[in-house]
Amino acid sequence: QQQVKQSPQSLIVQKGGISIINCAYENTAFDYFPWYQQFPGKGPALLIAIRPDVSEKKEGRFTISFNKSAKQFSLHIMDSQPGDSATYFCAATDMDSNYQLIWGAGTKLIIKP
Amino acid sequence: NAGVMQNPRHLVRRRGQEARLRCSPMKGHSHVYWYRQLPEEGLKFMVYLQKENIIDESGMPKERFSAEFPKEGPSILRIQQVVRGDSAAYFCASSREGVGEAFFGQGTRLTVV
Repeated sequence: QQQVKQSPQSLIVQKGGISIINCAYENTAFDYFPWYQQFPGKGPALLIAIRPDVSEKKEGRFTISFNKSAKQFSLHIMDSQPGDSATYFCAATDMDSNYQLIWGAGTKLIIKP
Repeated sequence: NAGVMQNPRHLVRRRGQEARLRCSPMKGHSHVYWYRQLPEEGLKFMVYLQKENIIDESGMPKERFSAEFPKEGPSILRIQQVVRGDSAAYFCASSREGVGEAFFGQGTRLTVV
């Protein structure tokens, strides 16, 4: 009930391509879905986040697509660049419960030049 | 506007010694989370604290590990009688009250020799 399932575990994309990472959840009380980016040796950094009242949010080359009925959300990175190579984590939380984030297992993304 | 500050960045301890990891949350943040990360793995939740309260410590080992977030000063993660298996990166994150959005520090890399 509390899990967030993330796929794929690893992803290789050519420079200029679209990177797509998917997450699914079970708890319908979740109402905040952030994505974090982590470079080796660094802490995770908040990349982009979405609430369930919208189906899509775009910030630069990064887009979150949200499907409330399917309980799925995904991160799309357009025109992927070698500098995007990192590990990406999705997460979810129930804001009203004032509670912790529930994390996906992470996706290691490699952008080939 | 300083971010989440963790120190030390690197810590080497001999087996049996104590490790103290400190985390100063962002200004205005009253919630602190501690995570552990092994190389090439995801974040493992350890403990969630508010000022002077432990909200959820379900991810903390029952023995040797403790955490506090006093009214004044940083949050402390304390590991007593360290063993080699405690070697990992320990990340702290903070958020404002009632908001799931969390910001991470750069982590403390603990090496037990």
